[in-house]
Amino acid sequence: QKEVEQNSGPLSVPEGAIASLNCTYSDRGSQSFFWYRQYSGKSPELIMSIYSNGDKEDGRFTAQLNKASQYVSLLIRDSQPSDSATYLCAVNDYKLSFGAGTTVTVRA
Amino acid sequence: DVKVTQSSRYLVKRTGEKVFLECVQDMDHENMFWYRQDPGLGLRLIYFSYDVKMKEKGDIPEGYSVSREKKERFSLILESASTNQTSMYLCASSLKGGLAGSSYNEQFFGPGTRLTVL
Repeated sequence: QKEVEQNSGPLSVPEGAIASLNCTYSDRGSQSFFWYRQYSGKSPELIMSIYSNGDKEDGRFTAQLNKASQYVSLLIRDSQPSDSATYLCAVNDYKLSFGAGTTVTVRA
Repeated sequence: DVKVTQSSRYLVKRTGEKVFLECVQDMDHENMFWYRQDPGLGLRLIYFSYDVKMKEKGDIPEGYSVSREKKERFSLILESASTNQTSMYLCASSLKGGLAGSSYNEQFFGPGTRLTVL
C-alpha cells in the first residue's frame, strides 16, 4: 500500500464549479498535511497546509482534515481555468511523502 | 519570500558522465531535499540533509550521492549517469524539522532541472 494515495483523475470540471480532491494516508502518526499545485513544466508550489482536524479556508481553497479516517481533501470553489494543474497531497513531518497527484482541468 | 535556485533548467549528459546538480537557498533553512519526478511515479525522495555535512538516504538513493558543505548549498551527484536517471530533479528546503504539526515542515521547491542522459 502506498503511503499517500490520491484520486487518480484526471478531473474535469466546468468553470465556476467545485473541484474536489481526495487524499488518504497510511501513517497514523502524521501531523502535517500539505497541498501543492504544479503547473505543467513547473515545480510544486505550496497552496495550503493543515495541521488540525476540521476545515481551513484560504480564498477559494478549503482543506479538510480527518485524522481518525486518515483523510485529507482539497476543495476548489468557483474553479477558474487558471486552476488547471496537477495537485499533490503531501503528508508527514520534515520528510514528506507525496501522492502521485491529481490533474485538474477547468473547462471554460 | 523563500528562494530556492538550481544551477540549470535543462541538462543533457552522456552515459557514464559524472553529473553535478546544485541547489542554493537563501532563507537559512536547515533542511534540504533532492527529489526526482517521473510521470506516473510522482515525487520520490533521493536524499535529504538536516544540517551541514549531514545527510540521510531517501527512498531511492542508489546511483546518487550528495554533498552539503555549506548550509545554503546542497549538491546532488550522479557518479556515472545512466539513461534511467533521465528525469526532472527538484530541490526543496524547509526550516528545522521535528516539530510535528507545524509550518516548520513546509517545503519550498526550486524550479527543477530536467536532465536527459543519452
